[in-house]
Parts: sequence; C-alpha cells; structure tokens
Amino acid sequence: AQSVTQLGSHVSVSEGALVLLRCNYSSSVPPYLFWYVQYPNQGLQLLLKYTTGATLVKGINGFEAEFKKSETSFHLTKPSAHMSDAAEYFCAVRMDTGFQKLVFGTGTRLLVSP
Amino acid sequence: DSGVTQTPKHLITATGQRVTLRCSPRSGDLSVYWYQQSLDQGLQFLIQYYNGEERAKGNILERFSAQQFPDLHSELNLSSLELGDSALYFCASSAAGGSANYGYTFGSGTRLTVV
Repeated sequence: AQSVTQLGSHVSVSEGALVLLRCNYSSSVPPYLFWYVQYPNQGLQLLLKYTTGATLVKGINGFEAEFKKSETSFHLTKPSAHMSDAAEYFCAVRMDTGFQKLVFGTGTRLLVSP
Repeated sequence: DSGVTQTPKHLITATGQRVTLRCSPRSGDLSVYWYQQSLDQGLQFLIQYYNGEERAKGNILERFSAQQFPDLHSELNLSSLELGDSALYFCASSAAGGSANYGYTFGSGTRLTVV
C-alpha cells in the first residue's frame, strides 16, 4: 500500500533562510505526489503536484519539489523563507487501490522567525 | 474561495447529540471526500463518494455516516457524540471522473466542539 513519511513534525527557520521539508514515499507503482499547505484555521491548499514528466515541479508561493525515484523522496524547498510561509505542510500520495484516494502524511509545521 | 463550501463553520454541541455537516463540491467535481483532523490523530480519511455512490471507507466510526445527493452535495452525520469527536472536519472534491490524479480541492472545514 502507498504511504508517505514526513520527517520532522516541526521545522524552524529564520526569515530569508532555505526551507527544506522532507517527504519520503512508498509506492509499488509510479507515484502521483502532492504537497499541501494549511494556514491556521483554514483548509488545505494545493501547493504543487508531480504526476508524470519533469521531476522538478514548481508550485505556488515560490515553492518547488523534486521527485527522486532512486531515493523515493519528494522534498519541498523554497530558497528564502518569508514570515507568511509559517503554516503546516502535508505531503500526500495517490493510492493505486480502490478509487485512488490520497493518503496524507502527518504534516510538518514550519515556524519562521524574524 | 476554493469552490468547495462547507457549512457550518463552527458547531458546539453536547455529548450524546447528533449533528450534520454539509459540503458542496466544486462545480463539475463528482467525487467528495471527508476527512477528520485532530491534534492527536492528524488528517484521517473517513469516506469517499463518487456521483452518489460510496467508493471507499477509511477510519469512519459506526456512529458516523455520510451520503451524497443527486445534486452532488454531501452530508456527514455524526451521532452519539463523544468528547473525542471534537475535531476539524474537512470535505474535499476532485476533478470530474473521480480520479485523484490532479489532487483535491478542500473546503475550509467545520470545527466541531463537543462539550
């Protein structure tokens, strides 16, 4: 069965520093991978997705992620953190059984300090 | 505005009571998914409907039930409520055809507090 593991429930960075949020997946078929962001008291918003094709995927708000099959990873990065990036981030993989629902990781809370 | 509408936004009720949460999917989306988000359990998949039919079940308690109506809106019914049912309940919808290939669109959630 497909699953994702997010390393680190909390990540702290300074404003302007590199953001790196880690996600490793497990899938027996070519995976479809997603990153979502959740701001306080809001729903989840799609940041970016990898389906097929180019392995470096660019999303909204300056975020990008690279699909690395050899490492079974889909880490999320942003070159320079802004205070407004403080939120919870979820990695997800599409299940290939049943009706292809998404399975979410446990989330990583990004804290940005001035 | 994501296009997925959830009502009510907040709900406070007593233990033992029953509540109904409502979701209207994004226009054109046929699939609706319900998730529960709590501090200790994270984001848990409850149930999925596609064009009125149940398609997948996750960690949904027997006290909970859902349905999707002909106009594609969905309702999640929670009964015999317990303190531990306090959580954020999210509805999401996906593109026509039911495939999750392109991700979900989430509503802003209903915060349920059981007292």
